[in-house]
Amino acid sequence: AQRVTQPEKLLSVFKGAPVELKCNYSYSGSPELFWYVQYSRQRLQLLLRHISRESIKGFTADLNKGETSFHLKKPFAQEEDSAMYYCALRSPGRQLTFGSGTQLTVLP
Amino acid sequence: EAGVAQSPRYKIIEKRQSVAFWCNPISGHATLYWYQQILGQGPKLLIQFQNNGVVDDSQLPKDRFSAERLKGVDSTLKIQPAKLEDSAVYLCASSLRWGLKTELHQNTEAFFGQGTRLTVV
Repeated sequence: AQRVTQPEKLLSVFKGAPVELKCNYSYSGSPELFWYVQYSRQRLQLLLRHISRESIKGFTADLNKGETSFHLKKPFAQEEDSAMYYCALRSPGRQLTFGSGTQLTVLP
Repeated sequence: EAGVAQSPRYKIIEKRQSVAFWCNPISGHATLYWYQQILGQGPKLLIQFQNNGVVDDSQLPKDRFSAERLKGVDSTLKIQPAKLEDSAVYLCASSLRWGLKTELHQNTEAFFGQGTRLTVV
């Protein structure tokens, strides 16, 4: 069975500090990994996916198959980054499975 | 483009009553998902449609939950009878395609609606 673990429910950092949101997954194979974000009073939306190898809003995430991790990183956090972040996994032809989420608060 | 539309936004019912949620996906999206998100947890897939056929309903409590997607467009999710533990946000999402290997990975991106917050008292 595929599973996504986000060990931190809450994470607070100061503006300008680096931030890392952890995500570990369990799946034997080549999954597709995503980060979704939900800002206050807005709908859940895709932030980035590992296949694209892109940086969105300064965030990057690298898939580490050896450690089965897909941590989300940003070198300098901004107050507008405060939101709920969900890591998600999809194996070929299977459902999209979400972690329990991390609430990021960026303090001024 | 218009996003995924859901209604109602909020619903409060008593246990053992029935309730229905409606979802209108993005035009042209073949895949439609219903997720249940209990407070403090991530979204959990209840059912996934490809056009009007069910792809995955392994986590749908079929004794009380049902869903349909007539004509492969709009979808309704029903709970009958509701229990206290059904209190959650019900999210609908849609994507162009599902799970197929394609170079156009954006085709598999799931777009979410605002959700329906259900409170069972």
